[in-house]
Amino acid sequence: SQKIEQNSEALNIQEGKTATLTCNYTNYSPAYLQWYRQDPGRGPVFLLLIRENEKEKRKERLKVTFDTTLKQSLFHITASQPADSATYLCALVRSSGTYKYIFGTGTRLKVLA
Amino acid sequence: GAGVSQTPSNKVTEKGKYVELRCDPISGHTALYWYRQSLGQGPEFLIYFQGTGAADDSGLPNDRFFAVRPEGSVSTLKIQRTERGDSAVYLCASSLTGSGRYNEQFFGPGTRLTVL
Repeated sequence: SQKIEQNSEALNIQEGKTATLTCNYTNYSPAYLQWYRQDPGRGPVFLLLIRENEKEKRKERLKVTFDTTLKQSLFHITASQPADSATYLCALVRSSGTYKYIFGTGTRLKVLA
Repeated sequence: GAGVSQTPSNKVTEKGKYVELRCDPISGHTALYWYRQSLGQGPEFLIYFQGTGAADDSGLPNDRFFAVRPEGSVSTLKIQRTERGDSAVYLCASSLTGSGRYNEQFFGPGTRLTVL
C-alpha cells in the first residue's frame, strides 16, 4: 500500500539555523510533490510544488529537493525564525487519472529564539 | 469570498445521529476535496469532485459517508449513524482545476466533529 513517512518526532532548532525536514515514500510513482504548512486549528497552506522531473525548487528561504531514485523529498528552511514554527506536511500527487493527494503525517518544527 | 469557508466550525453530536458539514470553495474553482484529519496525523483523502461529479470517492471509509456538490460549487459531506471513531477535523479544499497537474489546494479552516 502507499506509504508516506515524515519525521515523526518534533524538530527543535535554534533561530538562524537551517531546518531540514524529510519526506519518504514507498510503493508510489508520484506525478509531483507539494509541501504545506499547518498551524494549530487551521487548514494547511500551500508552500511549494516540485515536479517529478525537477531536482530542486526554491522560494525565498525555502528549498525543496526531489529524488525519485531514493523516493525522498527534503524541505529546507534557511535562516529559520520563531515564526516558522508549525507543522509541515508533504503531499504526493499520483497521476492515476484523478490526481489524488496523499499526505504524510507531518513534522512539527519549533524554532527557538 | 476570499477563501474556502466551512460550517459549522464545531459540531458535537451523539452516537447514531446524522450530521452535515458544509464547504464553500473559492469562486471559480472547479475541483473540491474533502479530507479527514485526526490528531497528530496528516489529512486523509475522502473524496474529490470535479464540477458536480465525484471523480474519486475511494477514500470514503464506508457507506455511512456521502458527499454531494449539486451545482458545482458548495459541497456537503453527510455522515449517517455517526460513531465515536468519526470524531476528527474534516477539511475541505478547492483548486482551480483538478485535471491540471500542478494546482495547489486552498484549504478551509475545517469542521471539528465530536461524536459523544
